[in-house]
Amino acid sequence: DIQMTQSPSSLSASVGDRVTITCQASHDINTYLNWYQQRPGKAPKLLIYDASNLETGVPSRFSGSGSATDFAFTISNLQPEDIGTYYCQQYDNLPYTFGQGSKVEI
Amino acid sequence: EVQLVQSGTEVKKPGESLKISCQGSGYRFTTSWISWVRLVSGKGLQWMGRIDPSDSYTNYNPSFQGHVTISSDKSNSTAYLHWSSLKASDTAIYYCAIGRHFGSQLGWWGQGTQVIVSS
Repeated sequence: DIQMTQSPSSLSASVGDRVTITCQASHDINTYLNWYQQRPGKAPKLLIYDASNLETGVPSRFSGSGSATDFAFTISNLQPEDIGTYYCQQYDNLPYTFGQGSKVEI
Repeated sequence: EVQLVQSGTEVKKPGESLKISCQGSGYRFTTSWISWVRLVSGKGLQWMGRIDPSDSYTNYNPSFQGHVTISSDKSNSTAYLHWSSLKASDTAIYYCAIGRHFGSQLGWWGQGTQVIVSS
């Protein structure tokens, strides 16, 4: 299986801050990477697909970058509604695998 | 509007069987792979497997193969996740999800089914 390692596992920031989460794959996955947000008590929501493409309807303060094994996810202007846990997920190979999650608090 | 509606909370004992469901609407059921994803408290998300509802072809995560069965019924646009013998470690929230690119970009999710296994 491809292992996905996220960092940090949790962070606390202020409204308006720029927040970056990284995800490292154990093998080259091209750009076959998604980013999800999971708010407390809710289902995950797809934010970014193909490493850098913004899902329809997702605010432009969210962005993604990277390829091969190193990826980054950024919230450029942190808002109160952005609290939750963020996950990367590779889909280069089955089984799909997720990072362990990064919890964002304000 | 695409919707995935899952069955409700289940409380079971170890060794019991269970089948939870996920009914799709608002799209052509046979055109999207359905994945099952598990959320264990404090451990994050795990992809369990997926099914192609057009022919019931499945792929399983080896970590779950042999312990769960994924199935679907085209006649009522419903996918299922079945255990024949539950363990306490199956306690989790289970989500069904669909998406583009053979169901790899999971853009639509069910609301989740809480499964509690306790003696």
